[in-house]
Amino acid sequence: ELKVEQNPLFLSMQEGKNYTIYCNYSTTSDRLYWYRQDPGKSLESLFVLLSNGAVKQEGRLMASLDTKARLSTLHITAAVHDLSATYFCAVDNFGNEKLTFGTGTRLTIIP
Amino acid sequence: NAGVMQNPRHLVRRRGQEARLRCSPMKGHSHVYWYRQLPEEGLKFMVYLQKENIIDESGMPKERFSAEFPKEGPSILRIQQVVRGDSAAYFCASSATRAHEQFFGPGTRLTVL
Repeated sequence: ELKVEQNPLFLSMQEGKNYTIYCNYSTTSDRLYWYRQDPGKSLESLFVLLSNGAVKQEGRLMASLDTKARLSTLHITAAVHDLSATYFCAVDNFGNEKLTFGTGTRLTIIP
Repeated sequence: NAGVMQNPRHLVRRRGQEARLRCSPMKGHSHVYWYRQLPEEGLKFMVYLQKENIIDESGMPKERFSAEFPKEGPSILRIQQVVRGDSAAYFCASSATRAHEQFFGPGTRLTVL
């Protein structure tokens, strides 16, 4: 059974600082996704990572994928308050389209 | 260019009642997925449907829960005789094919009193 673990579960950062969220998964996967969720809202797709060594950047967020280590990272650069949200990674299996989600990382940016 | 639509957005039911949640996929999408999010948790897969077919229901509870995606109309997730533990946010996602990215709807927040 595919398992997806994120850490940390909770993260308080000061504005302007850098930090990284980690996502480990247990078996070979097709794709890895990063989503953002604001309280009471749906999921906003941030990144889709398809291959080993993939790196994508959007604004202050950068995601990378190492399929050999079964690890993805979401790096936050010079955090701002607007980035406060819960971030989820999710993985799908070869031939199995359901997404398996990590537990989420609740990020709070402190002024 | 409507995205995935779900209704109702909020639903309150008393224990023992039935809950019906509807999902209209994005235009051109024929694959629908239902996920449940309990408070303070990640999303958990429930069921994957194509038009008129259930493809994978490995995440559905064995009793009281059912899903359909008829040839015409929205996909429906039905929960019979709801209990307090059914209180959660239920998200629907759709994709164009089984290999394409899933896009999520706004969710239905079910509260069971």
